[in-house]
Amino acid sequence: GENVEQHPSTLSVQEGDSAVIKCTYSDSASNYFPWYKQELGKRPQLIIDIRSNVGEKKDQRIAVTLNKTAKHFSLHITETQPEDSAVYFCAANSTVAGGTSYGKLTFGQGTILTVHP
Amino acid sequence: KAGVTQTPRYLIKTRGQQVTLSCSPISGHRSVSWYQQTPGQGLQFLFEYFSETQRNKGNFPGRFSGRQFSNSRSEMNVSTLELGDSALYLCASSSGRDIPAGTEAFFGQGTRLTVV
Repeated sequence: GENVEQHPSTLSVQEGDSAVIKCTYSDSASNYFPWYKQELGKRPQLIIDIRSNVGEKKDQRIAVTLNKTAKHFSLHITETQPEDSAVYFCAANSTVAGGTSYGKLTFGQGTILTVHP
Repeated sequence: KAGVTQTPRYLIKTRGQQVTLSCSPISGHRSVSWYQQTPGQGLQFLFEYFSETQRNKGNFPGRFSGRQFSNSRSEMNVSTLELGDSALYLCASSSGRDIPAGTEAFFGQGTRLTVV
């Protein structure tokens, strides 16, 4: 089955710096890659996602890149702010023969991002 | 539009008991997936239901089961509870359609289960 590795496990940056979180996946048939942000005691929230027909997607200070050949994707946060502090999870979907994507997401282990004022 | 609603928010049970958790998806969404979140194992997929049918299943023992009703609400049941079942149980709601690849999944607040 799918396996998703996420690095680093913790990331500490100064306010205004950029933060990059990287994930690799094992199933070459995976075609949907969401990122979630989870603040302490709260639900995971979808912040951005990318599909395999796109190499890069940007939403204000957040961007995601996908390299299908190397089977890795990354989250980039620019001009970090203290409110960006949270746990970030990458995920990849699972496909079955014929390409149908079912509602199974395999998650990375998470990255604890701390942004210091 | 109302979000994903999970009940109850907190539960304390003793070993050997069983528990039922509930998830109401976003209106119009037909897919409900369940995940177990623990500090050591992260977010792990339990199963997914779409139109009252289990479409996919993770690697959990048979003590973990679920079902979905015609209104898309889903329940998850854990029988013969063990201490290791203590976790945050999250459900995720999505349309369930593949357009063109994968659909956004939105999580509920979760049910915090403590087994003592």
